[in-house]
Amino acid sequence: KQEVTQIPAALSVPEGENLVLNCSFTDSAIYNLQWFRQDPGKGLTSLLLIQSSQREQTSGRLNASLDKSSGRSTLYIAASQPGDSATYLCAVFSWGKLQFGAGTQVVVTP
Amino acid sequence: EPEVTQTPSHQVTQMGQEVILRCVPISNHLYFYWYRQILGQKVEFLVSFYNNEISEKSEIFDDQFSVERPDGSNFTLKIRSTKLEDSAMYFCASSEEQGIEAFFGQGTRLTVV
Repeated sequence: KQEVTQIPAALSVPEGENLVLNCSFTDSAIYNLQWFRQDPGKGLTSLLLIQSSQREQTSGRLNASLDKSSGRSTLYIAASQPGDSATYLCAVFSWGKLQFGAGTQVVVTP
Repeated sequence: EPEVTQTPSHQVTQMGQEVILRCVPISNHLYFYWYRQILGQKVEFLVSFYNNEISEKSEIFDDQFSVERPDGSNFTLKIRSTKLEDSAMYFCASSEEQGIEAFFGQGTRLTVV
């Protein structure tokens, strides 16, 4: 059974610092891994998708890495801004569905 | 930019009543999903749907739940007799192919009283 864990559960940083969010999963038989952003009471916005054959994916200030063999992914957000404050979810696609971590709640203080 | 739309955004219903949550997936997508998120908990998979049939469902998706694609654009989730524990945010998602980027709607917050 796939278990997805995100550490830390919450993170507070001053504006301008880089953010590092971690995700681990127990079953390496994944198809892909997707990072989402969720604002309070809102939907899920897809940030990045990494296919299982890829090691890294970048979009603007966001960079995500994937080490399938060790069951880890890391999301880096460079030069954080107050607008980056949200909950970040990672989800792995395996066995026909996305399985989510509990998320990391990020607060970026001005 | 194409998006998944869900209606209503918030629904309050009495315990035991039937509810239908509606979704319009992105038009060229073939795979459709429902997920839910109970307040303070993880997003959980409910069901996937492809080629007019359920392809995968979770233990949560019991006989009280059903899904339908009644026409070429809508995808619905029906809960036959709602319980208090069905209160959650329900998300619809779609993807062009299985295992590629999934796009989520803004969710329907269901409150059962």
